[in-house]
Amino acid sequence: DADVTQTPRNRITKTGKRIMLECSQTKGHDRMYWYRQDPGLGLRLIYYSFDVKDINKGEISDGYSVSRQAQAKFSLSLESAIPNQTALYFCATSANREAGELFFGEGSRLTVL
Amino acid sequence: GQNIDQPTEMTATEGAIVQINCTYQTSGFNGLFWYQQHAGEAPTFLSYNVLDGLEEKGRFSSFLSRSKGYSYLLLKELQMKDSASYLCAVRDSNYQLIWGAGTKLIIKP
Repeated sequence: DADVTQTPRNRITKTGKRIMLECSQTKGHDRMYWYRQDPGLGLRLIYYSFDVKDINKGEISDGYSVSRQAQAKFSLSLESAIPNQTALYFCATSANREAGELFFGEGSRLTVL
Repeated sequence: GQNIDQPTEMTATEGAIVQINCTYQTSGFNGLFWYQQHAGEAPTFLSYNVLDGLEEKGRFSSFLSRSKGYSYLLLKELQMKDSASYLCAVRDSNYQLIWGAGTKLIIKP
């Protein structure tokens, strides 16, 4: 089983719908991240969390919200999806600030029609 | 602003050597990372450089020159399974990762 698991892996939805992407990890890491990846662009950070009580906005947080339900769980929500949120979304974890290495989930491909 | 540049696509032959370059301009520097990403899959960590010089790990090596804002990933004895995108990322003064768009490497027999 993967150490970082994302659900759903694929989702097609319509404009205006609420969508939640879930991430759970068994690595015991405190730090969790949500990224989106678009063709021709680098990974862009949406939100990150250094522990259950610490949530921070990344460079492209508008239109997104997150919830850190437990050390192992970090969910990303799109309150009212729009077509330009069509992308591949990755959850990632890291052990600490110095470690640097990120462990990614398999990705969630979201299409908003 | 912060910027990471790497070629969009490169082609190489199986068994050969290829060098993928990465140049960066960031607010501070706390390390440079290379990740491999096969199509439709998650990125996986390849290497980390924080001091100038070459880090070797099997067929893969990564070089860093902080004064030039430059790194390269060297892949030797190319195999078909090395066909993937290679992502360069720099950790800035706030310990945030800034990502390049990635270099798609195509390996031909």
